[in-house]
Amino acid sequence: DTAVSQTPKYLVTQMGNDKSIKCEQNLGHDTMYWYKQDSKKFLKIMFSYNNKELIINETVPNRFSPKSPDKAHLNLHINSLELGDSAVYFCASSQETVYNEQFFGPGTRLTVL
Amino acid sequence: QKEVEQNSGPLSVPEGAIASLNCTYSDRGSQSFFWYRQYSGKSPELIMSIYSNGDKEDGRFTAQLNKASQYVSLLIRDSQPSDSATYLCAVSLHRSNAGKSTFGDGTTLTVKP
Repeated sequence: DTAVSQTPKYLVTQMGNDKSIKCEQNLGHDTMYWYKQDSKKFLKIMFSYNNKELIINETVPNRFSPKSPDKAHLNLHINSLELGDSAVYFCASSQETVYNEQFFGPGTRLTVL
Repeated sequence: QKEVEQNSGPLSVPEGAIASLNCTYSDRGSQSFFWYRQYSGKSPELIMSIYSNGDKEDGRFTAQLNKASQYVSLLIRDSQPSDSATYLCAVSLHRSNAGKSTFGDGTTLTVKP
């Protein structure tokens, strides 16, 4: 009965590869987010989708592309991975009527070698 | 100037003491204010939200908001070793689902037995 789930939990890959991270929420929320938390623990928003529509698109490289097949799922695809992409990526969701209170998934630790 | 600034920390308090965590924000249009707790290696967890000036209490936690001073704080009474974590202040400009939450860098709290 996990509220926000992500797969995989760990991802180790070589520079130049393409990888995807999947996120699913069973809370019935309308909005989902992707955050990046670097080694200094700074949490920065990357993207936000509301009912499958892209709402927030922060300044991130074009190599990062989110996709929301439905409002319960938000995936993140990363092309041509670089060393600097190594971080923990968190998915989160919120419900429209509750003022942006966000519930986070367990995170995906990406290591690019 | 950072959009959301927190005590640089780390903050260390003895068990049973009051821990005080502070946060200032730069945008006067900010509407929603949150405190998240993040244990090492885990995802952020919402512990308090506050939307109007004054105090909001929930168990041992009290959030205080002063919009005139652009200041929000979190007090933890009777601190326990289990409160040891990084506390993230987040501020949202719009009281809506699509509003972006900007996070501070976090303050690491250690409660010593």
